Amino acid sequence: AQKVTQAQTEISVVEKEDVTLDCVYETRDTTYYLFWYKQPPSGELVFLIRRNSFDEQNEISGRYSWNFQKSTSSFNFTITASQVVDSAVYFCALSSTGGFKTIFGAGTRLFVKA
Amino acid sequence: ETGVTQTPRHLVMGMTNKKSLKCEQHLGHNAMYWYKQSAKKPLELMFVYNFKEQTENNSVPSRFSPECPNSSHLFLHLHTLQPEDSALYLCASSQSVAPVETQYFGPGTRLLVL
Repeated sequence: AQKVTQAQTEISVVEKEDVTLDCVYETRDTTYYLFWYKQPPSGELVFLIRRNSFDEQNEISGRYSWNFQKSTSSFNFTITASQVVDSAVYFCALSSTGGFKTIFGAGTRLFVKA
Repeated sequence: ETGVTQTPRHLVMGMTNKKSLKCEQHLGHNAMYWYKQSAKKPLELMFVYNFKEQTENNSVPSRFSPECPNSSHLFLHLHTLQPEDSALYLCASSQSVAPVETQYFGPGTRLLVL
């Protein structure tokens, strides 16, 4: 069975703090893909990153960075120096060659206060 | 042109009404999806279309009827809905249904059933 767990339901930080959003996944497939999406109050899910199971290199994009660790089945997302505009719900998702659909986690709501 | 558009953005309907949600993608993709997002619940996949053919119906009640006339357009026809069907309905598209493909989402239609 495939599963994505985002244990943090809500996180509240003050602007300029660093924050890490956790994502733990389960799959028996050896080839799979992990995604992060951002959902601002407007509703649209905005694609942030895709990672395949054979590439464990961490990625940095501006203030965003992702830490993929197969040993712990985790794909965590860190925002450095958070800003109010980062306030949104963030979803981690998994798709694999053995499953037909993308599985989304329950999401983590991030509040960044000025 | 925005990648994936949805109309209307907001909809209020009575339980006896019939209405339709429209989704259009301008990305040249071949796969389209309907998701339901209820408060405090994970994203629920409803339907998947690949090259206009329905490939997934995730046990959705028959009061929801999808239609995909071509690869760029997707409709969700609604009739005799229940108050628990109130939710954000999101449309997405991807190049194909392969697990590697990223799904791109529209802004959603917020539906309220009275």
